Order: sequence, then structure tokens, then C-alpha cells
Amino acid sequence: NAGVTQTPKFRILKIGQSMTLQCTQDMNHNYMYWYRQDPGMGLKLIYYSVGAGITDKGEVPNGYNVSRSTTEDFPLRLELAAPSQTSVYFCASSGLAGKKETQYFGPGTRLLVL
Amino acid sequence: DQQVKQNSPSLSVQEGRISILNCDYTNSMFDYFLWYKKYPAEGPTFLISISSIKDKNEDGRFTVFLNKSAKHLSLHIVPSQPGDSAVYFCAARYSNDYKLSFGAGTTVTVRA
Repeated sequence: NAGVTQTPKFRILKIGQSMTLQCTQDMNHNYMYWYRQDPGMGLKLIYYSVGAGITDKGEVPNGYNVSRSTTEDFPLRLELAAPSQTSVYFCASSGLAGKKETQYFGPGTRLLVL
Repeated sequence: DQQVKQNSPSLSVQEGRISILNCDYTNSMFDYFLWYKKYPAEGPTFLISISSIKDKNEDGRFTVFLNKSAKHLSLHIVPSQPGDSAVYFCAARYSNDYKLSFGAGTTVTVRA
């Protein structure tokens, strides 16, 4: 199993450009998440999904959109990139909401908006 | 509003000694706590967890202690090894919820 994979690893965007961060998991997990991590800060939840066709906002959803058409894929869309979106983005997945379930993270996408 | 706080941004410890990482939380409804470890240019990986019905959980060199009355947990690493140099995140969630609240992380450096 590859686990959670993310592409690209690194991207530079100009202000106002758009892009899609890709996330794929091969563990047949129902739950998927997008986080951002800013320097000196913890991970903040952007969006999450409890299954194909179901998504919901997390703590910091403004400026982002998501879709979940399949169990495996959970892309994150930035429509009008802003310098405040410079961050490292992590995708994660988990199987169940039970007590012992944990989240598995991808390697991250580093985004720089100039 | 930061519900999970790690007030020490960094910790330096000599190889072979104990590393103690601290975490405080403000939401008394949290009842499951996790520690994640993160190396540079990688995603966080799960390290150890504890349920609120316990006050201690041990896994090899890693032990997590929970003090519910103080809303405080700590991670002990004994003995510390160079490969333990990483950022450690504390996280918490509600019962049967799937969303995690993370602390800001503590960077541990193990000196040879």
C-alpha cells in the first residue's frame, strides 16, 4: 500500500492564480481531511469528508473548495491564490471514527504564493 | 481559539536521557488524546494515544501520562535517541468524533 499520496510536492503560484492539490489514498478509508500548517502553528483543518459525495467545512475553509467523487480521491482547490495561503498542506485519511482509529497523513504539499 | 496548547516550542536533550513533552487542553469534552511525530518534509505519523479512562499508556520507549483534573498530558521518551529528533504534535478529539485539534508542536533535538 502506498498509503496517502499528494501531488505536487512543491508549487509557486502568483496571486490570483488557481490550482488543485491532489490527494489519493489506497486504504479504502471513508474519512479524508485537508489541513494546513503555518510556521509555529499546529495543523488547522480546512475541509473534511466522511465519504464519497459528502464534504464539510473545517476551521479555516475560506478560499478553498473540495470535492469527493470517489473513496480514493479528495482534491483541494484554490481558486484565487492569496499570500495568506502560503503554507504546507497535508491530506489525511482514517477508517473509522472509533476511539482507536488514527489518521494517516500524506507527505505534504508546500505552496508559496507570491 | 487554541484548545490544545504546547507551550514549549523546542526541547534539547542529551542522548540516553529522558525527554518530557507537555501538552495542555482547555476543552473538558476531549476524551481521546494522541501524539504524532513529524520529520522534515514528511507528514505526521501516529506515535501513541491514550483514552480518558486511563492515566498512563506505554509503548516501548514512549509513555503518555494523562491528568484529567489538570487537563494536562505529557509524553516521556526514555532513553532518547538521535532518531527521536523531530517535531511532536499533541492532538485531541471528542468521543467517536473523527476531527482532531492539534497543538503547535514541540521540536525535539537529541544531542549525541
